[in-house]
Amino acid sequence: DGGITQSPKYLFRKEGQNVTLSCEQNLNHDAMYWYRQDPGQGLRLIYYSQIVNDFQKGDIAEGYSVSREKKESFPLTVTSAQKNPTAFYLCASSTGLWYTEAFFGQGTRLTVV
Amino acid sequence: GQQLNQSPQSMFIQEGEDVSMNCTSSSIFNTWLWYKQDPGEGPVLLIALYKAGELTSNGRLTAQFGITRKDSFLNISASIPSDVGIYFCAGQQGATNKLIFGTGTLLAVQP
Repeated sequence: DGGITQSPKYLFRKEGQNVTLSCEQNLNHDAMYWYRQDPGQGLRLIYYSQIVNDFQKGDIAEGYSVSREKKESFPLTVTSAQKNPTAFYLCASSTGLWYTEAFFGQGTRLTVV
Repeated sequence: GQQLNQSPQSMFIQEGEDVSMNCTSSSIFNTWLWYKQDPGEGPVLLIALYKAGELTSNGRLTAQFGITRKDSFLNISASIPSDVGIYFCAGQQGATNKLIFGTGTLLAVQP
């Protein structure tokens, strides 16, 4: 079945450690996105990528980094520079950049203690 | 970054009741989308609206693209327990068509 997979579903890390969240899609989509979701807030864009080897900062990129070495994969690293990293992280993909129908993964809940 | 205003923030209703929620903005949008997010999952697209005044249905869900292009509405008729979740609006605007999300409406349905 085609889809977008995020792993792990739950992640616990100590403060000051970098952590990488995985996002893989087999939909042959060119565009991929990372969003952060906090309680009572909408989705906020962290980074996005239109094609392989290209990515752009979103609205809240500080403290995060990404890579897009393969079309299927768009991992997100939450660095120690991110002041408040505990959140629900969602990855999405679409056929082209900002195409209406974006498909979302199931999310990763990151808790930093 | 900009976010859209959604209301109400939360709703607690009885099974069988109808539900209305809306999304407003101070600026014009080209497209309005409505998503549903089940607890602990990613959002799923419910309805997409492309033209001012457009009214579109998906089963018991009906959404409208406001005439002013600054708002959108979602109605759910005869709610059932599986309607529980967070409903997000999203809009696309400008030359980039970047997606901007609303703050969400939490719906709880009591059987």
